[in-house]
Amino acid sequence: QVQLQQWGAGLLKPSETLSLTCAVYGGSFNGYYWGWIRQPPGKGLECIGETNTNGDTNYNPSLKSRVIISVDTSKSQFSLRLSSLTAADTAMYYCARVVLTSHYFDVWGKGTTVTVSS
Amino acid sequence: QSGLTQPASVSGSPGQSITISCTGIINDVGTYNLISWYQQFPGKAPQVVIYELTERPSGISNRFSGSKSGNTASLTISGLRTEDEADYYCSSYTDRSNFVVFGGGTKLTVL
Repeated sequence: QVQLQQWGAGLLKPSETLSLTCAVYGGSFNGYYWGWIRQPPGKGLECIGETNTNGDTNYNPSLKSRVIISVDTSKSQFSLRLSSLTAADTAMYYCARVVLTSHYFDVWGKGTTVTVSS
Repeated sequence: QSGLTQPASVSGSPGQSITISCTGIINDVGTYNLISWYQQFPGKAPQVVIYELTERPSGISNRFSGSKSGNTASLTISGLRTEDEADYYCSSYTDRSNFVVFGGGTKLTVL
């Protein structure tokens, strides 16, 4: 059974860069797309972007200028970097496996709380 | 990137059926059946309960069903149970950005 374990810094200052990593255990890593989703406190979900194991990426147009999603197939891990942070980036960040043909997320990490505050 | 529109809240009594709507546009819900529904309990990650408009993942009760009419998708939960009380989010593929867009979420209260 596939499990995702994620980690990264939880408290950042405005203008800093968020860096999160997600490791995949218990299943195949290659051949899938892997994505990041965030949820501001008390609000809805927002897709940030996704990558496949070849490094092909697709980003939310509203975040594209600040986002980089990368993949390390040797470690079965993928990572998110989001730059030029503001308070509006405060959210729970989830990593997830993407079923690309159907465009949904079938396995989720537990989430990482990221707070942007001076 | 505009999101899908859901009611903020719905409620029902145990045993009843409820329906949650999800309204989009021709570029997403109106054209594609790549519509998913997620259930989220407080403090937990979302879990998919419907994908490809009507399909249920293994382990999801057949009390959950999906449908669509025009630009509006719907999630119906029949035989409502107290454990169904959660937030529900719809999502759809959109060809405006070749990406996925979510609804704002609906809080289901089982009275």
